[in-house]
Amino acid sequence: EAGVTQFPSHSVIEKGQTVTLRCDPISGHDNLYWYRRVMGKEIKFLLHFVKESKQDESGMPNNRFLAERTGGTYSTLKVQPAELEDSGVYFCASSQGDRGFLGQLTGELFFGEGSRLTVL
Amino acid sequence: AQSVAQPEDQVNVAEGNPLTVKCTYSVSGNPYLFWYVQYPNRGLQFLLKYITGDNLVKGSYGFEAEFNKSQTSFHLKKPSALVSDSALYFCAVRQRLPTGGGNKLTFGTGTQLKVEL
Repeated sequence: EAGVTQFPSHSVIEKGQTVTLRCDPISGHDNLYWYRRVMGKEIKFLLHFVKESKQDESGMPNNRFLAERTGGTYSTLKVQPAELEDSGVYFCASSQGDRGFLGQLTGELFFGEGSRLTVL
Repeated sequence: AQSVAQPEDQVNVAEGNPLTVKCTYSVSGNPYLFWYVQYPNRGLQFLLKYITGDNLVKGSYGFEAEFNKSQTSFHLKKPSALVSDSALYFCAVRQRLPTGGGNKLTFGTGTQLKVEL
């Protein structure tokens, strides 16, 4: 079974340019998440898709970030225009829909290897 | 708001010795707790989780963690460390809400484990 795949593995762009990151989740996983880790900091939640719908986008830093998941399969995260502080590693993760008796998701997340973004 | 604290940026241990990587959390109500490991140039790999039941949870590669509700801790442990355990370890918490919402994981800043011969 293929894991979560992310592309590109590393992107170097100049401030003001646009970058699009792609994530292919594990087949059959309805839940897809984007996270970001800035150097030395914690891994921060960006947003959560359930199929093609945005369940929670409370972590998106500003309107320069746009995430889509058309058809409920792969997802893209676009940064336009990129700023210096956007540099970091962007992780995508997916999970199954296992839920506890309170309806909470109990399953672990399966992460991709990350896309490292460097904005110069 | 939920949060996770990993008080040690780095933990050094000799191979064969027991290791502990500390984690404390803050969340309203009962938590779901997770440990992940990141090897160099790799993504995060799931190690173990606490959902409910026995406070001692066993996971991959001989790791275990103990949920302590009174101390709001979920320390990761291994009885005998290996050089190959050297990696970056992340603790994470998910809030358990009666509405079924709040499914995001909140991570700590990570602890670098270095196991030496």
